[in-house]
Amino acid sequence: ETGVTQTPRHLVMGMTNKKSLKCEQHLGHNAMYWYKQSAKKPLELMFVYNFKEQTENNSVPSRFSPECPNSSHLFLHLHTLQPEDSALYLCASSLMVDQETQYFGPGTRLLVL
Amino acid sequence: KQEVTQIPAALSVPEGENLVLNCSFTDSAIYNLQWFRQDPGKGLTSLLLIQSSQREQTSGRLNASLDKSSGRSTLYIAASQPGDSATYLCAVSQGNKLVFGAGTILRVKS
Repeated sequence: ETGVTQTPRHLVMGMTNKKSLKCEQHLGHNAMYWYKQSAKKPLELMFVYNFKEQTENNSVPSRFSPECPNSSHLFLHLHTLQPEDSALYLCASSLMVDQETQYFGPGTRLLVL
Repeated sequence: KQEVTQIPAALSVPEGENLVLNCSFTDSAIYNLQWFRQDPGKGLTSLLLIQSSQREQTSGRLNASLDKSSGRSTLYIAASQPGDSATYLCAVSQGNKLVFGAGTILRVKS
């Protein structure tokens, strides 16, 4: 079992759809993260959760709604997205926030039509 | 606002060459610096993490250095192999967030 898994790996959705991305970590970590990687732009942090509590929202539009029911699972709920939201969405986890190495999942490639 | 710059943006070398990737950052108040590798369409793999109090870290053919006062880090890859072809990302840690550079795309030709 790999450390951080993400489903689905690929997703195509229309602008009026509602979908969710799922991330699961099997490493016993307490911190989880969502990142967005757009073409030709650096990886951008979206949200940070520490012990299930959101500690960082990097000015992300409300059409992205994260949920962290426990330290092992992280969701990103999507609704009324725009074509410019098409990107690779990466989940990561670390033992604690702050000085720890982050372990990344394989990502979900999202295309918004 | 922290900004991370990586030079060069792309690099193509023949197999066996030693090479250096560069990373610079504007705010020296960092907890650590990490180098990651990303294969096309895949997630990131952590290569090396250097704490702010450290000067370098080594793992196999990889050596990363950190000069926090000047805001610079280098990743040295010895005896490059075609399997090293990937995008290499540098990221600095500030509190609970990582700030990434745009990456260096490395191609090692056989």
